[in-house]
Amino acid sequence: DQQVKQNSPSLSVQEGRISILNCDYTNSMFDYFLWYKKYPAEGPTFLISISSIKDKNEDGRFTVFLNKSAKHLSLHIVPSQPGDSAVYFCAASYAGNNRKLIWGLGTSLAVNP
Amino acid sequence: DAEITQSPRHKIIETGRQVTLACHQTWNHNNMFWYRQDLGHGLRLIHYSYGVHDTNKGEVSDGYSVSRSNTEDLPLTLESAASSQTSVYFCASMRGGADNEQFFGPGTRLTVL
Repeated sequence: DQQVKQNSPSLSVQEGRISILNCDYTNSMFDYFLWYKKYPAEGPTFLISISSIKDKNEDGRFTVFLNKSAKHLSLHIVPSQPGDSAVYFCAASYAGNNRKLIWGLGTSLAVNP
Repeated sequence: DAEITQSPRHKIIETGRQVTLACHQTWNHNNMFWYRQDLGHGLRLIHYSYGVHDTNKGEVSDGYSVSRSNTEDLPLTLESAASSQTSVYFCASMRGGADNEQFFGPGTRLTVL
């Protein structure tokens, strides 16, 4: 049973517009969430994270929003650039054992020039 | 610069053969992980280690083994390779504590014929 769900396998946006990638989770024990980006033939790289005590974290063009009551988080990329085209993975960790990450299946983002 | 490397990057082997995939990190991280990535399945945890001589099974550990004789290395062995083990394998390491970002290697593409 998938505890971290990325329900959109793919997303296509125009360069300069906003990209919104969504992630839902089922386990209320998760207290830390991360987004990773993966290019073809490379390993995933960390992008941004958020603790459950916050509802927003921003880093340049990337913002992650957390809605604990809805068990939902989203990654906003503004403005989107062609170099942002990649697979984005959402991951979560449990309170008390933050070393294991539970991963979503990923969303493939295509940013069109 | 500290890094995490995997070798080989590509490997083709016959069914039933044994193969070992190497993972080496120079961050001195205690925590290391092996994942496989397959279409439609995201990243699935195979084995992980929280320190020297510590190994643990992940969600898809059957047919795989690991050993941790030092901090830097976590080799993954397929004792008798099966076609179902054709996949891309990623190694990751993590410092732990308050920081649960995992750093990934570039991956090994393994084909079992």
